[in-house]
Amino acid sequence: SQKIEQNSEALNIQEGKTATLTCNYTNYSPAYLQWYRQDPGRGPVFLLLIRENEKEKRKERLKVTFDTTLKQSLFHITASQPADSATYLCALPPGNTGKLIFGQGTTLQVKP
Amino acid sequence: DAGVIQSPRHEVTEMGQEVTLRCKPISGHNSLFWYRQTMMRGLELLIYFNNNVPIDDSGMPEDRFSAKMPNASFSTLKIQPSEPRDSAVYFCASSFGRNDSPLHFGNGTRLTVT
Repeated sequence: SQKIEQNSEALNIQEGKTATLTCNYTNYSPAYLQWYRQDPGRGPVFLLLIRENEKEKRKERLKVTFDTTLKQSLFHITASQPADSATYLCALPPGNTGKLIFGQGTTLQVKP
Repeated sequence: DAGVIQSPRHEVTEMGQEVTLRCKPISGHNSLFWYRQTMMRGLELLIYFNNNVPIDDSGMPEDRFSAKMPNASFSTLKIQPSEPRDSAVYFCASSFGRNDSPLHFGNGTRLTVT
């Protein structure tokens, strides 16, 4: 069956360090992958999209990589700040449809 | 733009009662999604519409759940009868254009069924 895996354990890092979150998937060949941020009591908010023919995408302090051979995406936040503390979800389409399936998310805690 | 608007924000009901959740998508968006989020199962897609037509309802748990989109600016998700295991946060999201367009989520309805 199709599966998306993100680290279920919370990631705790010190302010200023780089946070790296992992998204692994099986039994998919997605044309793209999206990353979202979710704060407590709020809906997810879109951050970045990366397509299968792109190795890397950047937006300000965010960087996403996409390795279709490893079936893995990495999400990096450089120079992390306490305000980056949130849950980060990866999402991808299970086929050529408008559907989007989400991973469980990884909670990031940045300590001052 | 007010974003995706969901109501009510919180709903507490007793088992067996009917529950109706409401969603107003962003104006001009042509796709609408209903998701359910729990600690155990994460964010699950229940159903999605394109141009007001249900495209995929394979995620709807059972016949107790139904969703409608009578026009481009309104959708409902109904649970009848509700059960305690339906307790979750229900999110509505909308998007515009291509399949890879980002989803815009509302802030959800927290449903508690006692």
